[in-house]
Amino acid sequence: KAGVTQTPRYLIKTRGQQVTLSCSPISGHRSVSWYQQTPGQGLQFLFEYFSETQRNKGNFPGRFSGRQFSNSRSEMNVSTLELGDSALYLCASSLDGAKYNEQFFGPGTRLTVL
Amino acid sequence: TQLLEQSPQFLSIQEGENLTVYCNSSSVFSSLQWYRQEPGEGPVLLVTVVTGGEVKKLKRLTFQFGDARKDSSLHITAAQPGDTGLYLCAGQSNTGKLIFGQGTTLQVKP
Repeated sequence: KAGVTQTPRYLIKTRGQQVTLSCSPISGHRSVSWYQQTPGQGLQFLFEYFSETQRNKGNFPGRFSGRQFSNSRSEMNVSTLELGDSALYLCASSLDGAKYNEQFFGPGTRLTVL
Repeated sequence: TQLLEQSPQFLSIQEGENLTVYCNSSSVFSSLQWYRQEPGEGPVLLVTVVTGGEVKKLKRLTFQFGDARKDSSLHITAAQPGDTGLYLCAGQSNTGKLIFGQGTTLQVKP
């Protein structure tokens, strides 16, 4: 079974631009979560989508948004990029109904904002 | 707000040594997971502990969940260079989402 895939793997943008990241979950997984990982803040939860609906949300500004498609693939968008948005963005999928919400992570997208 | 604190943040040891990583909180978690992340990759789930006092072993790794379900530890026996990586604990909050600790970076030198 193929793992979680994320595209692109690396991205360089400038301040003020917007960016869209893509995630394909493991086949059969309907829950997709997004995390931001930085050296200073660690791994922080952005949001979770299930059946095309946002089910859970972290404490990030409205510039961060996401969506999920009927095939469970998900995208996240960051508008008006700031230098502090430079981070590794990780997508994780899980089986809905998994009692302990165990996450299967993709390799991440490394975003650099100049 | 539920928080998880990991210690130490960094650990550099020689091959063959033993080590323990701690994950502490003032909050109770319904379950706790440990992940390992290698450079350029996403975290990989190692184990989930759910019962207070539970001990799980995975080869040379021993995981323990505190009796009160507020803390956990990871003990590695006879560490090997292949154990090098970032170790993350994650607690399942009362809303179901995972809260991650800051991580422990382990370097095992040959």
